Amino acid sequence: GQNIDQPTEMTATEGAIVQINCTYQTSGFNGLFWYQQHAGEAPTFLSYNVLDGLEEKGRFSSFLSRSKGYSYLLLKELQMKDSASYLCAVRLNQAGTALIFGKGTTLSVSS
Amino acid sequence: SAVISQKPSRDICQRGTSLTIQCQVDSQVTMMFWYRQQPGQSLTLIATANQGSEATYESGFVIDKFPISRPNLTFSTLTVSNMSPEDSSIYLCSVEMHRGGDTQYFGPGTRLTVL
Repeated sequence: GQNIDQPTEMTATEGAIVQINCTYQTSGFNGLFWYQQHAGEAPTFLSYNVLDGLEEKGRFSSFLSRSKGYSYLLLKELQMKDSASYLCAVRLNQAGTALIFGKGTTLSVSS
Repeated sequence: SAVISQKPSRDICQRGTSLTIQCQVDSQVTMMFWYRQQPGQSLTLIATANQGSEATYESGFVIDKFPISRPNLTFSTLTVSNMSPEDSSIYLCSVEMHRGGDTQYFGPGTRLTVL
């Protein structure tokens, strides 16, 4: 079967940096996605990695190591509005195929 | 990204009835998918909506329970048939856009409660 693991919950304070890890063991790999989901809302796309390395986009960065089956999402200068669930998802096959999601990490940011 | 709308945004339905959810995209997209997110859970793929042909269902989901239509490249419907309380969930459509790496974007979701 397909396995995508991420921590269930994390807490952090405003202004801090937090790293959310995701490990995957899947039958195929054609890209890893991170989504942000606020309570009661749909997931919002954050980042996409298909090659090894770091992708930076403002306060958010995402890293991928295909050989290790590992990714992380790095959030800098945390704000209260960053309190949300963060979903790691893997696309198994070529473009045009659906995503397999991890269970999500609920991040709580306090002042 | 595409503008994706879903109707209805939420509904409360009686056991044994059916509900059809619509997904409309503001541009033509090749791939559309339907996901379910049960309370406190992550997203589970129901099916891939294929334009002009039958949908491709994931294990555990069948056409009789979740019939899907995809008449063109901008529109799809998902019907939840003969509903039971276990079908209470958020139903989301997603589309794949070939910008910045074939990214999938989600509609706002339909929150369904079955009594």
